[in-house]
Amino acid sequence: KNEVEQSPQNLTAQEGEFITINCSYSVGISALHWLQQHPGGGIVSLFMLSSGKKKHGRLIATINIQEKHSSLHITASHPRDSAVYICAVSYNNNDMRFGAGTRLTVKP
Amino acid sequence: EAQVTQNPRYLITVTGKKLTVTCSQNMNHEYMSWYRQDPGLGLRQIYYSMNVEVTDKGDVPEGYKVSRKEKRNFPLILESPSPNQTSLYFCASSLWGGETQYFGPGTRLLVL
Repeated sequence: KNEVEQSPQNLTAQEGEFITINCSYSVGISALHWLQQHPGGGIVSLFMLSSGKKKHGRLIATINIQEKHSSLHITASHPRDSAVYICAVSYNNNDMRFGAGTRLTVKP
Repeated sequence: EAQVTQNPRYLITVTGKKLTVTCSQNMNHEYMSWYRQDPGLGLRQIYYSMNVEVTDKGDVPEGYKVSRKEKRNFPLILESPSPNQTSLYFCASSLWGGETQYFGPGTRLLVL
């Protein structure tokens, strides 16, 4: 069983829509990461969270430590946001475990 | 420019022929890590290093070796590659373990 669960697996949205991707994990962690993988394969780190909420442009990430749950929100989605979004957790600041990813397609 | 580089980017080899994938970072990061990505299995950690001469196994270390003799370099060694090691490999680094990671461009390996 994957220790990191993401939902949905696939998501199609119209340009301008508000998008939410969810991530839950099973045991205590030292940090949670949201990554973006472009269609060409490159991976970029979007956020690293250990508590609360972070915002960068149209992207917002939140984490609830008690509920072991994080969400990634994209406001005013755009076709260039089309990518695979991956949730990852680190244990003891060393081990990394990854979710299966959410494939997002934003249509114009 | 701050970056993580990997070489080669693409490699086709045969079973049993030793190979090394190099990884280098220019950000003076303490932590480096190797991952493989496979369809349906996602990203999985192979090995990580918290500092020079300090390495540890990740989720899927079998068939791989690493070394960290200098802070900037973290090569991945496949002593006797097998077809089940055909995969997309990523190297990443961060200032400390658990911090924001910077990923290399990936190395696509095919073992025949």
